[in-house]
Amino acid sequence: AQSVTQPDIHITVSEGASLELRCNYSYGATPYLFWYVQSPGQGLQLLLKYFSGDTLVQGIKGFEAEFKRSQSSFNLRKPSVHWSDAAEYFCAVAFEFGNEKLTFGTGTRLTIIP
Amino acid sequence: EPEVTQTPSHQVTQMGQEVILRCVPISNHLYFYWYRQILGQKVEFLVSFYNNEISEKSEIFDDQFSVERPDGSNFTLKIRSTKLEDSAMYFCASSENRGSEAFFGQGTRLTVV
Repeated sequence: AQSVTQPDIHITVSEGASLELRCNYSYGATPYLFWYVQSPGQGLQLLLKYFSGDTLVQGIKGFEAEFKRSQSSFNLRKPSVHWSDAAEYFCAVAFEFGNEKLTFGTGTRLTIIP
Repeated sequence: EPEVTQTPSHQVTQMGQEVILRCVPISNHLYFYWYRQILGQKVEFLVSFYNNEISEKSEIFDDQFSVERPDGSNFTLKIRSTKLEDSAMYFCASSENRGSEAFFGQGTRLTVV
């Protein structure tokens, strides 16, 4: 069955430290991959997306993600987090091009400590 | 920057009542969506809408739910006879083309009491 997994429910990192949020999917082909961020009281903002091509994609706010087909993963990274990065992060997948439906992971809540 | 706008931000309704959640998608977008997020759970797809008709719906989107684009700018989700389990954050989204990224609104928190 098609699914998206975010193994980490909650991650705490120190300001200035590096960050990696994990996302794995289950699908027989390469899906279309997205990371969204949700700050408190805000909607879902797209950080980055992968459709094809270079497997390392750059996004907004200094985030990047790497698609690894062999691991069915699309992990989100940031070299140095800022207090403003505290939010909920969602990995989402569209399993077919042209199928608009997004399947979301359960989210990872990121806490930043001084 | 264009954005998807949802109103109200929070709605409280009594069980059994009808509610209409409103959304104004980005003006040149053609595809519209509703998602919901029950507290503590994942964001779930409800329905997609294109060319004035539903293009896909999930098993959640039963006869209790309906969508409409009444005037060319608004996109509404109607929930008839609300149940306690309908309490959730409802997100509207729109995209320009099939396969392009979806832009989400800030959500409407629906509380059924």
